Amino acid sequence: AAGVIQSPRHLIKEKRETATLKCYPIPRHDTVYWYQQGPGQDPQFLISFYEKMQSDKGSIPDRFSAQQFSDYHSELNMSSLELGDSALYFCASSFPHVETQYFGPGTRLLVL
Amino acid sequence: SQQGEEDPQALSIQEGENATMNCSYKTSINNLQWYRQNSGRGLVHLILIRSNEREKHSGRLRVTLDTSKKSSSLLITASRAADTASYFCATAVLGGANSKLTFGKGITLSVRP
Repeated sequence: AAGVIQSPRHLIKEKRETATLKCYPIPRHDTVYWYQQGPGQDPQFLISFYEKMQSDKGSIPDRFSAQQFSDYHSELNMSSLELGDSALYFCASSFPHVETQYFGPGTRLLVL
Repeated sequence: SQQGEEDPQALSIQEGENATMNCSYKTSINNLQWYRQNSGRGLVHLILIRSNEREKHSGRLRVTLDTSKKSSSLLITASRAADTASYFCATAVLGGANSKLTFGKGITLSVRP
């Protein structure tokens, strides 16, 4: 079965650079969520989209933005990267009105 | 701050034994879910229990939910070395679409062969 696809899987950036993370949800899933997991930490909700509209916002820095496109894939744009942004970034998707979220393998971002 | 707090933080058992992990949360919820994460990998959904349910089974997994105590437990029976992973509970406040998850700190389970 198709799973959530995230790209790239690994990314190394310098401080103050920008990064774009992509997420391709499972076919027919219309809701996408982004989570950030720092080293040894639990995942923290960043932002979600439902039917291409932002539906909820968590602890996402103003330096980050995201959107969901017409094909339901989503991109997380991160600017002015800081060392503390180094983390594993997960995307999850779900069917309409179903609570179970299916997570992608994550993008590991390292900011040097 | 976390919605769910897992207990214990780390657990080491022998293969074949049962593993029980507990989670507590603070606010009213629509459902509680348990996820598993192998080191540095993605989160795998294990089981979901709704606020009006008290117990649920799935294979070797048994989850309970006590909404009066705002707590849940995950029991893995007849553990295997392959069960070695971190386990997270996550709560959802809203049902249906847009149910963001609030995760607790993970429990690291080590199953010795």
